[in-house]
Amino acid sequence: SQQGEEDPQALSIQEGENATMNCSYKTSINNLQWYRQNSGRGLVHLILIRSNEREKHSGRLRVTLDTSKKSSSLLITASRAADTASYFCATVPEYGNKLVFGAGTILRVKS
Amino acid sequence: DTGVSQDPRHKITKRGQNVTFRCDPISEHNRLYWYRQTLGQGPEFLTYFQNEAQLEKSRLLSDRFSAERPKGSFSTLEIQRTEQGDSAMYLCASSSLSGGLFNEQFFGPGTRLTVL
Repeated sequence: SQQGEEDPQALSIQEGENATMNCSYKTSINNLQWYRQNSGRGLVHLILIRSNEREKHSGRLRVTLDTSKKSSSLLITASRAADTASYFCATVPEYGNKLVFGAGTILRVKS
Repeated sequence: DTGVSQDPRHKITKRGQNVTFRCDPISEHNRLYWYRQTLGQGPEFLTYFQNEAQLEKSRLLSDRFSAERPKGSFSTLEIQRTEQGDSAMYLCASSSLSGGLFNEQFFGPGTRLTVL
């Protein structure tokens, strides 16, 4: 079973717009990670945020973490057609050693 | 290429046959993970190794599944007496454990299994 839920399940935007995806989870965590997966292919790690961090940036990506609400958001600014993919959040439980994935958000960026 | 590699990339088999997949992690990574992903879902954890020791197995890993990492380098995942429900993408990932910090996992391209 999966720990979290991503919201929305699918998102369609125009190139240049910002995309925001949300993730909620259920248990205390060590860290939360976001991954991207292009159709039928492997996962690419995007960013990791630890439980004692609240915000992190990497290029056009901004991740926030609210441990009191057990939620995270991923913002992709100035989206490009190449950002079209599925995006997954994954948590590492506080006393665990594995990634627990949500079901993902399908992002489509139209050019 | 110094990423995680998996072989084969695709496997089609008949129900009841045994299959074996191989994963070669990033060379300096001491942790290796196996996940299974079905269509429209996120990956689900199966098992992980730290060096050659298998430290955790999911309840998803029935007794038909076995994984090994004999020398702490590559790993194999074997499924015996395959069933149609085993059809999925099998993903391998590796990571390093440094300074007690849990770092990001790097995933291979996966092996897509189809059981007819």
